[in-house]
Amino acid sequence: DQQVKQNSPSLSVQEGRISILNCDYTNSMFDYFLWYKKYPAEGPTFLISISSIKDKNEDGRFTVFLNKSAKHLSLHIVPSQPGDSAVYFCAAGGSGSARQLTFGSGTQLTVLP
Amino acid sequence: GAGVSQSPRYKVAKRGQDVALRCDPISGHVSLFWYQQALGQGPEFLTYFQNEAQLDKSGLPSDRFFAERPEGSVSTLKIQRTQQEDSAVYLCASSITQANYGYTFGSGTRLTVV
Repeated sequence: DQQVKQNSPSLSVQEGRISILNCDYTNSMFDYFLWYKKYPAEGPTFLISISSIKDKNEDGRFTVFLNKSAKHLSLHIVPSQPGDSAVYFCAAGGSGSARQLTFGSGTQLTVLP
Repeated sequence: GAGVSQSPRYKVAKRGQDVALRCDPISGHVSLFWYQQALGQGPEFLTYFQNEAQLDKSGLPSDRFFAERPEGSVSTLKIQRTQQEDSAVYLCASSITQANYGYTFGSGTRLTVV
């Protein structure tokens, strides 16, 4: 049973436009959510996070939105750049746990020049 | 070091062989994690250390998997009698405190069991 789902395996956008990556979760005990970015042959790199007490967090071109009632979060990248082309993983963690994260299966983002 | 270092980068093992995968976390990082990533999937939690104590090993798929971190720094993940289903990328991650979720991953060890 996948507790964190990324239903779009791939996404292509034009350079300069907005990229929106989506993630759904089922476990209501999750209270911290993160996005990681992964280039080929490298480990995932932490990008941005959000606590369940917030509904939005911004860091430069990256914004994460959390809709707790819908158990849905999204990552917006504006403007998209070719260097943003990578696999993006959504991850979730629960308070009181051993800080383990549950990951989605990833979305391959391709930003076309 | 500057990042989390894992060795070897690639390992090919014959079915039934034992393997040992090494992780050098960032110096001073208290927490260390092992994850397994199958092809086309996200990383899946295996085990967690706080310093030398293994606080959670609930993700280890069988008793053939064993991890240790005897001095609270370098960690080794050992897989005994490897099976084809063990083929995956094994990722190590560390974080400076117990409370920090945004941990730093290494580049992983790709294990192929033939």
